[in-house]
Amino acid sequence: QLHLVESGGGVVQPGRSLRLSCAASGFTFSSYALHWVRQAPGKGLEWVAVISYDGSNKFYADSVKGRFTISRDNSKNTVYLQMNSLRAEDTAVYHCAETSGNWGQGTLVTVSS
Amino acid sequence: DIQMTQSPSSLSASVGDRVTITCRASQGISNYLAWYQQKPGKVPKLLIYAASTLQSGVPSRFSGSGSGTDFSLTISSLQPEDVATYYCQKYNSAPHTFGGGTKVEIK
Repeated sequence: QLHLVESGGGVVQPGRSLRLSCAASGFTFSSYALHWVRQAPGKGLEWVAVISYDGSNKFYADSVKGRFTISRDNSKNTVYLQMNSLRAEDTAVYHCAETSGNWGQGTLVTVSS
Repeated sequence: DIQMTQSPSSLSASVGDRVTITCRASQGISNYLAWYQQKPGKVPKLLIYAASTLQSGVPSRFSGSGSGTDFSLTISSLQPEDVATYYCQKYNSAPHTFGGGTKVEIK
């Protein structure tokens, strides 16, 4: 059974940093690209970033480019999202998602002073 | 970047009605389009990928069509459990943009 579990969310002040983690199980993690998708309260889905199966290719939404970094550790079956220079508009539930449509439950990030 | 535009943004229909949601890409994306269903308070669920391929376990009343720039999701006979917001997503190349969503309600 494929399982994705996010962690690392919380309340953070504007301008500060946070690192999210997504632990995977139930599939061959190192064979799949992984995405981060976010959803602000009451809003639609926003794709954030993707990393290739081996970590060699990474792409970002314009809204986070230069501030967020996606990475992965295939030995730990974990993907990360390092979020720097956080803004109020980054407040959202952050989901990791695998290419064939499996999503984690998400972790809430609140950026507020 | 390619923009994804869904219409309508919301609709209200009766049980048993045929419902169609459209998604338009600002440039051609071949058939690299997925449809998701998100019920209130739940994680999005993949319904359709490759524009028209039904994900395993999804009821056959859901169908997708289109290629290039114009796509549609059809519910052949709307059921109460279909109340949700539906999103299209392109995945031909990054960014994997979502449409703005269509909220479906029962009249």
